[in-house]
Amino acid sequence: QQPVQSPQAVILREGEDAVINCSSSKALYSVHWYRQKHGEAPVFLMILLKGGEQKGHEKISASFNEKKQQSSLYLTASQLSYSGTYFCGTEKEKWSYGGSQGNLIFGKGTKLSVKP
Amino acid sequence: DARVTQTPRHKVTEMGQEVTMRCQPILGHNTVFWYRQTMMQGLELLAYFRNRAPLDDSGMPKDRFSAEMPDATLATLKIQPSEPRDSAVYFCASGSPAPGLAGEAGSYNEQFFGPGTRLTVL
Repeated sequence: QQPVQSPQAVILREGEDAVINCSSSKALYSVHWYRQKHGEAPVFLMILLKGGEQKGHEKISASFNEKKQQSSLYLTASQLSYSGTYFCGTEKEKWSYGGSQGNLIFGKGTKLSVKP
Repeated sequence: DARVTQTPRHKVTEMGQEVTMRCQPILGHNTVFWYRQTMMQGLELLAYFRNRAPLDDSGMPKDRFSAEMPDATLATLKIQPSEPRDSAVYFCASGSPAPGLAGEAGSYNEQFFGPGTRLTVL
């Protein structure tokens, strides 16, 4: 089941904040976030694992609500370089006690445009 | 600087022709993914391999698509015969899973995407 991202698109001025949401109808093992600039390949941003472990970098943070099967990506004090399409990728839980299904299902993306 | 490479970068072909796309994963990565990206569907997983063995190819139209890993340094995606609806950007990505519970594969670490093959079928 493909996760649902919202909003589909957002336009910001430099320095403004944005939140991108990702929700799934299935129990999740992890949520991954990627950013893709026009004409380029997706680039990894971070992983959020069930149990709260978070891995990532840059000035971007995220949360993962396991019970609600939702994740949110927070971009604060946006920069021009943040422009691009953000994808969440979800790993379904393989067993009730955990374990990964082994592959990502990506949402359709949120297009972020940061203007000067 | 380790990168995933894909060839060709662009391919224009006529309906009915065979198309072969190649991918060289990053050395040491044991998992290779094939994705297709279109405006309508976004990023779709077509197939993936771990240690050269196919784990899941349920995303591929079986009658025309095939994916193989003849060795650890080469993955191929073949379309025969090609159709206009196959026009898309095809990405290959590689990575390695993190350890999980009881020896099972855990969450995947970062996937490194190649630059993609832009396929146009006329």
